[in-house]
Amino acid sequence: DTGVSQDPRHKITKRGQNVTFRCDPISEHNRLYWYRQTLGQGPEFLTYFQNEAQLEKSRLLSDRFSAERPKGSFSTLEIQRTEQGDSAMYLCASRATGASETQYFGPGTRLLVL
Amino acid sequence: SQKIEQNSEALNIQEGKTATLTCNYTNYSPAYLQWYRQDPGRGPVFLLLIRENEKEKRKERLKVTFDTTLKQSLFHITASQPADSATYLCALDLGNAGNMLTFGGGTRLMVKP
Repeated sequence: DTGVSQDPRHKITKRGQNVTFRCDPISEHNRLYWYRQTLGQGPEFLTYFQNEAQLEKSRLLSDRFSAERPKGSFSTLEIQRTEQGDSAMYLCASRATGASETQYFGPGTRLLVL
Repeated sequence: SQKIEQNSEALNIQEGKTATLTCNYTNYSPAYLQWYRQDPGRGPVFLLLIRENEKEKRKERLKVTFDTTLKQSLFHITASQPADSATYLCALDLGNAGNMLTFGGGTRLMVKP
């Protein structure tokens, strides 16, 4: 257990539905990252927050995706109008500020869009 | 184009032997390189971080080397055990403002008793 938790662990939804995932980082970490991982591939960066500010978004993050971290603690990732191509593992990671700090990952939320 | 390459084929070795995994990259200048372990259905677990000015880092049975001229990192597990069976991911941190990680595709290691 890295101290990063994600909920739910699994989500099955029908195409066109909206889904929301939650991440609780390690409490003293002010940086929070979202990644997406498909089968047989490494994780790909989606977006990150420093405290409550969303500072960078990947081109992978289409306008159907939105992420928030309202109080600089937990974060949510919402996918609207899900598509089958959104099926993946969504990983959250947190990191302290510092030059050579590492990222600690949560267990992930596996999404299956039918 | 920028690429991070790890051997996509599984590495099968006998218990007790040393496993060596390779991470090659092109058109990146990472400030740090990290290795993670990932078990099926779970998130990556951090193992080792090595800086661009370091040649080698060790932790218990693990050793990482980093050659910025060859643009290559090698990850060694000595005295391997069946419990070491997992997928191993290398990740580059370019040292930019966000310290986002760029991952290779991972190599699956199978250690047979």
